[in-house]
Amino acid sequence: GAGVSQSPSNKVTEKGKDVELRCDPISGHTALYWYRQRLGQGLEFLIYFQGNSAPDKSGLPSDRFSAERTGESVSTLTIQRTQQEDSAVYLCASSPTSGPSYEQYFGPGTRLTVT
Amino acid sequence: AQSVAQPEDQVNVAEGNPLTVKCTYSVSGNPYLFWYVQYPNRGLQFLLKYITGDNLVKGSYGFEAEFNKSQTSFHLKKPSALVSDSALYFCAVREGDTGFQKLVFGTGTRLLVSP
Repeated sequence: GAGVSQSPSNKVTEKGKDVELRCDPISGHTALYWYRQRLGQGLEFLIYFQGNSAPDKSGLPSDRFSAERTGESVSTLTIQRTQQEDSAVYLCASSPTSGPSYEQYFGPGTRLTVT
Repeated sequence: AQSVAQPEDQVNVAEGNPLTVKCTYSVSGNPYLFWYVQYPNRGLQFLLKYITGDNLVKGSYGFEAEFNKSQTSFHLKKPSALVSDSALYFCAVREGDTGFQKLVFGTGTRLLVSP
């Protein structure tokens, strides 16, 4: 079946502009995660959605970052007033539930470059 | 808080030789351990996981990992490396049996398999 999809695959934006990144999880997956991967570094957790529960936003680095999810479907990550340090690959993942034993399925990522 | 360490930035091995990619973890409770692989310009792919039971876990593409509680390690292994195994490998750990516990990733180890 279809995996996790993300769009756009690449985004170049000017410093100070807002960007919106999209994630389509695997159908039926109730849990959705956003991560940031800076060049040469590991994955940094940003935010987590589980069904209709309040999201866990503990990883968002600043109030310029926000995310929404409509039910158990599409999610958008918005970065306002982008800065050069926001340049990274943003990865989305989904899993059937949020249980600790479930592996996460990752999308191909969106490479964001802030000039 | 849980953490994971991958002490080697890069591992070089000749095709046909056995390979080991090291991972150690730190958690206060029961660990749930995962290995993911990332090919260039692609998202992470799940390889294998340890939840409970046998300490030797077998996964995709001939990879296996050994859970060692006393040494708090979860090294990834393969008896005979292929050039196509060359990629970036991430170890991840999650603790806790209830509620949301984020998945914490190591910084990654680049595996280079030479012909």
